[in-house]
This record gives sequence, C-alpha cells and structure tokens, in this order.
Amino acid sequence: DSGVTQTPKHLITATGQRVTLRCSPRSGDLSVYWYQQSLDQGLQFLIQYYNGEERAKGNILERFSAQQFPDLHSELNLSSLELGDSALYFCASSVGTVNGYTFGSGTRLTVV
Amino acid sequence: AQTVTQSQPEMSVQEAETVTLSCTYDTSENNYYLFWYKQPPSRQMILVIRQEAYKQQNATENRFSVNFQKAAKSFSLKISDSQLGDTAMYFCAFIGGSNYKLTFGKGTLLTVNP
Repeated sequence: DSGVTQTPKHLITATGQRVTLRCSPRSGDLSVYWYQQSLDQGLQFLIQYYNGEERAKGNILERFSAQQFPDLHSELNLSSLELGDSALYFCASSVGTVNGYTFGSGTRLTVV
Repeated sequence: AQTVTQSQPEMSVQEAETVTLSCTYDTSENNYYLFWYKQPPSRQMILVIRQEAYKQQNATENRFSVNFQKAAKSFSLKISDSQLGDTAMYFCAFIGGSNYKLTFGKGTLLTVNP
C-alpha cells in the first residue's frame, strides 16, 4: 500500500457519459497530480493541485476538470466520454520534488 | 521544455545476469532530480531509485544502481543479479527547476527469462 488511495479501481461506462475519479493523497502530502496512461501516449501529465489550488496544467482536455478539496482529496471529472478516453488514470502525491511522487494503484477506465 | 528519451522499447535478460537500461534527457535547468520507476504487470508505479543532479556520486539501492553523466545528460539504470520479479516496464523521469511536473520517458519493457 503506497498510501495514495484511488477509487474506483475499474470503471466501465458508455460514450457520452460523465465519471468522477477520486484520489486521497498520502498523509502529509499537499500536492496531487493526475496522469493518464494509454498504450500509444505513455504517461501524460494532466494537472497538479497544491493545497487546494491549481498549480500546473498539462495536456488536459476541456472535457476534463479536476479539483482538490480542503481535506486534500482530489477528484478528476471526465465528461462527454469518447472511446479514446479509455486509459489508466493515475493519481500521485508528493510533499516536494526531492523524493519524487508516490502513485496510487490507478483507475482503469473503459469507455464502450 | 524538458524531454526524456528511452531508446530501448524492449529488452530481455537471463535470470542472475546484469542489464543496463538507457535514458537521456534534455534540460536547461541546473538543479533537477532524476528517477527510475518500475511498473510491473500489476500496473502499480513503484519508485526504484532517485538521483539529485548536484550530487556527483551515483545512487545505489541494493541491486539497482545508476550511471549519472550530467554533462552527457545521461541517466542509465543497472540491474544486477536480475530476478524474475524484475520483469516490468521501467520509466525514466525528470523534475527540474521550479516545475513540479514529473516528465516521463516512453518506457522500456524488461523481461527477465528463467
């Protein structure tokens, strides 16, 4: 157990639907990061939050949004889902940069 | 922009032998950190080893060690006495400057054969 909790582990949904992925960071970590891992694109950075505020944005689609709540858990919202959104979505947390990130076990999203 | 390149999509090694995975990166930053992550079939991302750019000494963690060549912007991972459990995708990653984003290479799929 890495200390970073992601739910659900698996999600199957239809095109056009909306889903919410949840992440609880490791205790004491203020930063939360979301990554998308697909077969052809590798690990793509989506967005970072630090203590409730958005800090950095990567290749995140307009259909996707995220937020970090006062208790530091984060949610990634994916809407108007397309087949190409099928991927493994990772959440990671950190207290800084020196020790890298700690990753959750990921949410496997399948859009059918 | 920082980039990380792993030129070996796949590699294989016999159990108990040594293998080296290559990684190069490009950055204009002087202060940065480099990492190797392992992703076994379970898909969990596991930190294997890290290196601070300001340290000349190469990092070592048990059977895992790195060869960090700052001038050449090279950061290779050596796995000694390879074990079947080392079979995984290995990702090289970079964090630099004031940018907290971890940038990954495309990965190298390592298979350890019995």
